[in-house]
Amino acid sequence: TQLLEQSPQFLSIQEGENLTVYCNSSSVFSSLQWYRQEPGEGPVLLVTVVTGGEVKKLKRLTFQFGDARKDSSLHITAAQTGDTGLYLCASPYNNAGNMLTFGGGTRLMVKP
Amino acid sequence: NAGVMQNPRHLVRRRGQEARLRCSPMKGHSHVYWYRQLPEEGLKFMVYLQKENIIDESGMPKERFSAEFPKEGPSILRIQQVVRGDSAAYFCASSPLGATSGSYEQYFGPGTRLTVT
Repeated sequence: TQLLEQSPQFLSIQEGENLTVYCNSSSVFSSLQWYRQEPGEGPVLLVTVVTGGEVKKLKRLTFQFGDARKDSSLHITAAQTGDTGLYLCASPYNNAGNMLTFGGGTRLMVKP
Repeated sequence: NAGVMQNPRHLVRRRGQEARLRCSPMKGHSHVYWYRQLPEEGLKFMVYLQKENIIDESGMPKERFSAEFPKEGPSILRIQQVVRGDSAAYFCASSPLGATSGSYEQYFGPGTRLTVT
């Protein structure tokens, strides 16, 4: 099973600050997804990256896929309190089939 | 999360009772996945089903757990003789396409939080 490591595990920042969270694996990803999960809810898909070196932007969120497709980052510019949540990366299970392997997540707290 | 329905949202069971968790996938989706999330942990895959078929149950405990996705009606995750260690959030996800399509995007429901007392 492909292991996904996310860092940091916890991050507490002030509103307006920038931050970057990471997702790494020792194996090559066929594709990688980022989800955000709020307390008491299910994960919500933010983005899927497929091509090495790919960069995708979603408003203040910038997702980058490493050239070798073994790592990914999520950068948030000018964080807002509404960005608070658990950020999860996920990749297909053993790079086969649709089942997803999830990282342990980065729990982000944005304080006003 | 729009479209994937799970019920109940919260379920309390005493040790030894049965828990039945229901999932209705998004309209047009015929692939359903169940995941379990223990407190302060990430999600762990349990089982992947299509209508009337279990495709992969490699993540599901061998005993007490079963899943089905009948031709009509929701997918059911059934846990018999629950124990305290079964307390967790159980999430269902659906996708429109299967493993051979190369598309891995899944859409999650709000989850069922099971508490075993």
